[in-house]
Amino acid sequence: NAGVTQTPKFQVLKTGQSMTLQCAQDMNHEYMSWYRQDPGMGLRLIHYSVGAGITDQGEVPNGYNVSRSTTEDFPLRLLSAAPSQTSVYFCASSSRALNTEAFFGQGTRLTVV
Amino acid sequence: EDQVTQSPEALRLQEGESSSLNCSYTVSGLRGLFWYRQDPGKGPEFLFTLYSAGEEKEKERLKATLTKKESFLHITAPKPEDSATYLCAVRTLMYSGGGADGLTFGKGTHLIIQP
Repeated sequence: NAGVTQTPKFQVLKTGQSMTLQCAQDMNHEYMSWYRQDPGMGLRLIHYSVGAGITDQGEVPNGYNVSRSTTEDFPLRLLSAAPSQTSVYFCASSSRALNTEAFFGQGTRLTVV
Repeated sequence: EDQVTQSPEALRLQEGESSSLNCSYTVSGLRGLFWYRQDPGKGPEFLFTLYSAGEEKEKERLKATLTKKESFLHITAPKPEDSATYLCAVRTLMYSGGGADGLTFGKGTHLIIQP
């Protein structure tokens, strides 16, 4: 029972490089989302999706791109990495039903130098 | 704007010393309040969901309660393995509406239980 799987767990990028953080879930959840967690800031929503082919911006979307071609996968793309994007990134999935919890992946720790 | 404030930011207790963590919220249209536990280097792990004022949920040494403006996570006779960061989140309508809802998190309470 895998739940939400994120890869890679750790990544170091140089400023200006691009990369994709992978997220996959096997619970057939409609909702998927990406958060970043910074010290003293809590978890902040980057982008979210309510189903395949539908995505929208969250609180801090600048510098990130997403797509949702299948129910299972929700990759997050960093277009041109900046030191301000150094953070821990979490992917989450949940059912549309009210009062149901979101399940989180183990996170990707990204450092941009 | 939806806001979630957790207090205290950090709490150090002796093993067996009971206490409570607070989560106060200001939201338009609450669709659920959630408590998560997060261990270092891990993703948040679900503990409880509450929806109606007056509702209570229990799990081992933890008990969560909800009023119209705040939630408490009571920890009774804690053990060192209860040490973690406890996160509160509210589920509300997304910024652009469209029927989607998402989570707004507080900054968490870092709890340390000393043997």
